[in-house]
Amino acid sequence: AQKITQTQPGMFVQEKEAVTLDCTYDTSDQSYGLFWYKQPSSGEMIFLIYQGSYDEQNATEGRYSLNFQKARKSANLVISASQLGDSAMYFCASWGSAGGYNKLIFGAGTRLAVHP
Amino acid sequence: EAQVTQNPRYLITVTGKKLTVTCSQNMNHEYMSWYRQDPGLGLRQIYYSMNVEVTDKGDVPEGYKVSRKEKRNFPLILESPSPNQTSLYFCASSVSGRANEQFFGPGTRLTVL
Repeated sequence: AQKITQTQPGMFVQEKEAVTLDCTYDTSDQSYGLFWYKQPSSGEMIFLIYQGSYDEQNATEGRYSLNFQKARKSANLVISASQLGDSAMYFCASWGSAGGYNKLIFGAGTRLAVHP
Repeated sequence: EAQVTQNPRYLITVTGKKLTVTCSQNMNHEYMSWYRQDPGLGLRQIYYSMNVEVTDKGDVPEGYKVSRKEKRNFPLILESPSPNQTSLYFCASSVSGRANEQFFGPGTRLTVL
């Protein structure tokens, strides 16, 4: 079955520094998609970035980039120049045929704290 | 504004008292889904719907019912809530059956005493 692993329950970073949040996935699919969502303390789920398994370039969205290493089955989120507003829970998620095309499989999440 | 709305946002109830959490989207999306979020477990799918009158179970469907009589609405029904259904619930929708680009509602925090 498809599985997402986020090994860092919590991370600390100094404001303006870069931080990498780890995500590994377990799938035998050829076609799959990988997401990162941000959940601030207010609770809503905010889409950050998406990487398709056939995309050759790493996805980027402003200060967010996805370090996609297909052979290692990792999809780490890199946040450059951290801001206090980046303090939140971050979830890695995927879809694929093993887990079902009709749902996202989520990791347990990483709580990021940005210090001034 | 394109959005997914859920009501109520917060609910405290007692064991066994039937309740419904509504979900509505204004984007004409075919696909809708319900997830529950529990600490340390991320989000897990409860039910999903590919279109009107088409629903199917997700990973944790026990104790829940859904219906899809209209394209825009996908209510979640708890016929006899129990304390283990205390959770944060999210409704989501997307254009097609693929899970990509799902839009999430604001969440409903349910406490069952």
